[in-house]
Order: sequence, then structure tokens, then C-alpha cells
Amino acid sequence: GDSVTQMEGPVTLSEEAFLTINCTYTATGYPSLFWYVQYPGEGLQLLLKATKADDKGSNKGFEATYRKETTSFHLEKGSVQVSDSAVYFCALREPRNKLTFGTGTQLKVEL
Amino acid sequence: DTAVSQTPKYLVTQMGNDKSIKCEQNLGHDTMYWYKQDSKKFLKIMFSYNNKELIINETVPNRFSPKSPDKAHLNLHINSLELGDSAVYFCASSQDGDSNQPQHFGDGTRLSIL
Repeated sequence: GDSVTQMEGPVTLSEEAFLTINCTYTATGYPSLFWYVQYPGEGLQLLLKATKADDKGSNKGFEATYRKETTSFHLEKGSVQVSDSAVYFCALREPRNKLTFGTGTQLKVEL
Repeated sequence: DTAVSQTPKYLVTQMGNDKSIKCEQNLGHDTMYWYKQDSKKFLKIMFSYNNKELIINETVPNRFSPKSPDKAHLNLHINSLELGDSAVYFCASSQDGDSNQPQHFGDGTRLSIL
């Protein structure tokens, strides 16, 4: 079946550092791709999405580009803040609206 | 107003007991879901319902029984609780029929089995 692989954490960065969290997927078709963020003690929130190849999703300074040739959807941000500390999940949407998630990457941003 | 609300937020109970978790959404969505997040943060879908009809039923023990009295509610009943059921359970909803619409998640119910 379809699957998502993302880099293991925790990732620890200093404030204003550049962030990349890698995500690759395996799918039979061309699924929609998502990044969700989970802050401590909360549920998941949609961060950004891309629905077809070469689409770029962006929100709150985060970006990710749907790369069909490398089956990737890496998350990037140019300058992270302490408030970005959270767990980030890459996900793809299968038929029947089923979301398959990666294992999550914990990000810690320090002053 | 909370879009997807779950109750209770925390649930601590003994092994062997039966418990329920409730979920309600006020977004007018047609589809609702239950996910389980284990201690390593791995998140996996359990069930989904569309307009009270079961759509997705992953490999979940039959001790878990979802019930959807109407399309705004999807409750999860668990019989004979086991230690391995300890996890955070998330409810979510989405507008069916449009694959570009995201799922909206509740804040989770942390279930601890003693």
C-alpha cells in the first residue's frame, strides 16, 4: 500500500536557522500531499498542502513542493522561531479520503 | 467555537473496563474519522464514516466499535480495555466529495490503562 517516510527527529535548531524536514512517499497514483503540525497537548493542524506535481504549498513561512520525479515533499522554512517547536507530520491522501501519515518529526527551536 | 470537540480529554481506567469517547463536529462535514496515536507519536487511521455509513475499517480489534448517530457525531466505544489500548485517540472530520479539502482534528483523548 501507499506509505510515507520522513526523517527521524528530534531536530534541534537555533532561532533563525534554516529548516528542512525530508519527506518521501510511495504511492500507486498521484495523491494529494499534506504537512500537518501538532503543538504540545493539541490535535493536528493543517500546515500546507499540494494536490498535483510541481505545486508548492506555503503557509506561515513554511513551504513544500510536490516533486513527482523524486516522490518527495520536503518541508522548508528560512528562519525558524521558538514558537515553531512542534511535531510535524507528512501525509498523503489515498482513496476514500484515507490519510496515511509519516512517523512525525519533532522540532525543537532554541534561543 | 470549537470545530471538532472530543470528550473526555483524559481517561484513566482499569484493564477490562468498557469506555466510550465522544466526538462532535460543527463544521457541517459529511465524513468523520478516528485515529490512534501511540507513545512514539505514530498516527494511524482506525475508522471513517460518511453520513453515518462506515467507509474505512482498518485492522482494528472488534473490541473497538464506532457509532455514528448522525453525521455530526462519531463516538468510539471500547470493550474489555487492554494495556495496549493506551494511546491518544483523535477524532477528525472533512467535507466529503472534495479530495482537496483537509481533515480537521480534535485535541485528542489521552487514554491510560492501569
